Amino acid sequence: EAQVTQNPRYLITVTGKKLTVTCSQNMNHEYMSWYRQDPGLGLRQIYYSMNVEVTDKGDVPEGYKVSRKEKRNFPLILESPSPNQTSLYFCASSYTPRGAGSTDTQYFGPGTRLTVL
Amino acid sequence: RKEVEQDPGPFNVPEGATVAFNCTYSNSASQSFFWYRQDCRKEPKLLMSVYSSGNEDGRFTAQLNRASQYISLLIRDSKLSDSATYLCVVSPRGSQGNLIFGKGTKLSVKP
Repeated sequence: EAQVTQNPRYLITVTGKKLTVTCSQNMNHEYMSWYRQDPGLGLRQIYYSMNVEVTDKGDVPEGYKVSRKEKRNFPLILESPSPNQTSLYFCASSYTPRGAGSTDTQYFGPGTRLTVL
Repeated sequence: RKEVEQDPGPFNVPEGATVAFNCTYSNSASQSFFWYRQDCRKEPKLLMSVYSSGNEDGRFTAQLNRASQYISLLIRDSKLSDSATYLCVVSPRGSQGNLIFGKGTKLSVKP
């Protein structure tokens, strides 16, 4: 089954404790992206990757890191989480970047609900 | 002016009603446009892309007006299962991977 998986789905942690949220897709997609969704603010892009070893900042990259060593994986790293990073996080992937005029569907993972105390 | 603006709603309509959502975007060079649907506590899913000529998919019709920087989604004969939040999404030209989401419009279809 074609899908995007995220782990963990739920996480409660404390300020400053490094964490990684994994994202994996089995569709051989080139493009992957991370978003956070907050009440009243909607979905905001954190980082995206056009292909292996190619990553770029989205609208809200501060406090986050990503890596793209393999095509299928795009982990999101919070080196020192803070309470303002409490949010619902979504990973997404598609064959090609949307902005190239592509109509490829962007597939979203099920989301990771993170709480930083 | 926010980059992508939508009426947050909620829109409460009876089954069978026709409902229209509007979205405006601020970057005149924007290249690609989409409507996504998001159910409560679930991931967004692509509903349809929006083309300059307008496009239709069953009960759903999307239109784009580049001159007015305006996108619309029309849902005819609303079903209970259409209840969700509808997200307007814009991709600026020259920024291939960057997607800008509107905050969404909540639709509730009642029996």
